[in-house]
Amino acid sequence: QQQVKQSPQSLIVQKGGISIINCAYENTAFDYFPWYQQFPGKGPALLIAIRPDVSEKKEGRFTISFNKSAKQFSLHIMDSQPGDSATYFCAGQIHSGSARQLTFGSGTQLTVLP
Amino acid sequence: DAGITQSPRHKVTETGTPVTLRCHQTENHRYMYWYRQDPGHGLRLIHYSYGVKDTDKGEVSDGYSVSRSKTEDFLLTLESATSSQTSVYFCASRDSEQPQHFGDGTRLSIL
Repeated sequence: QQQVKQSPQSLIVQKGGISIINCAYENTAFDYFPWYQQFPGKGPALLIAIRPDVSEKKEGRFTISFNKSAKQFSLHIMDSQPGDSATYFCAGQIHSGSARQLTFGSGTQLTVLP
Repeated sequence: DAGITQSPRHKVTETGTPVTLRCHQTENHRYMYWYRQDPGHGLRLIHYSYGVKDTDKGEVSDGYSVSRSKTEDFLLTLESATSSQTSVYFCASRDSEQPQHFGDGTRLSIL
């Protein structure tokens, strides 16, 4: 049962272009939506996150757009750089007691060509 | 990062043998998590802990057990490893109002 569906599986973008990764969720109890960035051989690292009462959040070149009614959110990377080449995971978080479990999407491998 | 160390970083073992993976954190975080990462599945929660000796099951807990006898250590045990448990295992920890921080993973191969 995949509660967070992520697309595309892989993405190739030219340097300076815009990278867009989409996620859709099913569980309306999710109350926090983070994006993680993972480089080969490393663990995921928090990139940016949003709560469902906000429609957009921007941090530098990274923006999350959130559509609560459609149960969809997306990550936009502006002016993509070769150093952004990594795997990106979206996630939804639910309070389970105080544990705050994360449910991850399947990941998007981004390649930014120089 | 949040001072999370996973050991070993790589392990090859045979089907049917017991395996224990260790996660050590130096941040005094209350919450700790074990995930497995497989192609096409993202990260899936195996077990988590919300305090010393307090643990609970995640989405894919069958075949795994955990123990947490000290705040800083969270152990994941495969009692009798199977080939389907070949994966990359990640540990994470967090403080009460903070996001999860991940270790760099253990690559486990079961032949």
